[in-house]
Amino acid sequence: AQSVSQHNHHVILSEAASLELGCNYSYGGTVNLFWYVQYPGQHLQLLLKYFSGDPLVKGIKGFEAEFIKSKFSFNLRKPSVQWSDTAEYFCAVNEWISGSARQLTFGSGTQLTVLP
Amino acid sequence: DTEVTQTPKHLVMGMTNKKSLKCEQHMGHRAMYWYKQKAKKPPELMFVYSYEKLSINESVPSRFSPECPNSSLLNLHLHALQPEDSALYLCASSHKDGAYEQYFGPGTRLTVT
Repeated sequence: AQSVSQHNHHVILSEAASLELGCNYSYGGTVNLFWYVQYPGQHLQLLLKYFSGDPLVKGIKGFEAEFIKSKFSFNLRKPSVQWSDTAEYFCAVNEWISGSARQLTFGSGTQLTVLP
Repeated sequence: DTEVTQTPKHLVMGMTNKKSLKCEQHMGHRAMYWYKQKAKKPPELMFVYSYEKLSINESVPSRFSPECPNSSLLNLHLHALQPEDSALYLCASSHKDGAYEQYFGPGTRLTVT
């Protein structure tokens, strides 16, 4: 079965610390990859996406992610976090099968708390 | 404009009530989605409409009834819900299908009493 794993359920960092959130998926074929963020009381927002090309993608608010096909990973990074980055982060993947895209599968989410 | 709007923001209903949730987008997207999200959990897909036709129903109970009147609107009709149906209901849209990024609305916080 398709699955997306986010091993870090809750991450606590101080401001200016570097961030890396892990995301692994279990599909063997072509995938589209996404990171979404959900700030407290707000709706899900797209941080960044990977469809093809350069495996290092840059998103909004200084976030970036690297697609490593051999490791089935799409980890999210930010060099220096801010208190305003406190939020729930979801990795999401969909897989192409026979020319059609399956629906998004979300990981379980990582709660990031940044201490001022 | 990358906005998906949802009304109402909050809804409290009894188990015998009938209510509807509404979703609207004006981005020209032809795929629209209903998700259910429990606290601290990822969204769970309920329904997918593609070009105004229901393409996916993820085994959702019949007390939830979706409707897509036109390419900009998506409704979710609720009837005889259970307390465990209390959740945040999210609407999303995307360009054509699941391959594209989805834009989410703010959700309707539903409480069933």
